[in-house]
Amino acid sequence: DGGITQSPKYLFRKEGQNVTLSCEQNLNHDAMYWYRQDPGQGLRLIYYSQIVNDFQKGDIAEGYSVSREKKESFPLTVTSAQKNPTAFYLCASSSPSSSRGGGYTFGSGTRLTVV
Amino acid sequence: AQSVTQPDIHITVSEGASLELRCNYSYGATPYLFWYVQSPGQGLQLLLKYFSGDTLVQGIKGFEAEFKRSQSSFNLRKPSVHWSDAAEYFCAVSIGGSSNTGKLIFGQGTTLQVKP
Repeated sequence: DGGITQSPKYLFRKEGQNVTLSCEQNLNHDAMYWYRQDPGQGLRLIYYSQIVNDFQKGDIAEGYSVSREKKESFPLTVTSAQKNPTAFYLCASSSPSSSRGGGYTFGSGTRLTVV
Repeated sequence: AQSVTQPDIHITVSEGASLELRCNYSYGATPYLFWYVQSPGQGLQLLLKYFSGDTLVQGIKGFEAEFKRSQSSFNLRKPSVHWSDAAEYFCAVSIGGSSNTGKLIFGQGTTLQVKP
């Protein structure tokens, strides 16, 4: 079945460390997104990519970086510059024809905790 | 700026009672509206969407929502709530205009608790 796979499900980061969250989709979707979820704040857009080798900052991109070398993959790196990285991270995808027509498909999320 | 507001952070209803979750949006053009549901520690599942046409839309799990342009609202309803409906619910609007970026802007979410 087609879908989005996020890994790992739980991730622990030490102060000053960079960590990378994986997001892979086999839906043949062109667009991919990263959201951060904090209690009481809903989902906030970190980065998004409409096509391979291109991506744009969302509302809270500071302290994060992404790459889009393959259509199927959109990894998110949480750098040491992100001062409060503890959160639940959700990856999503859509295609230009479905972003209005069908909404987004979401992964199951990665919970990142700073220790 | 575009925004989505869910005025109720937390709602508790008894099983079998009716439910209405409120959603208001701020967006200059015709909005594309969505409701998603999230179980604890999980991703989001699409309940229903509105693009055009009939302003009352039906979704999965017995949910429906009504688009009211005059009130900039897209409230979610269910006639009889089941204990399994306890979850967090998100309203979202898709923006992008001619560029069709299709970015989703989310509300803060409403947590639904169901009493037996």
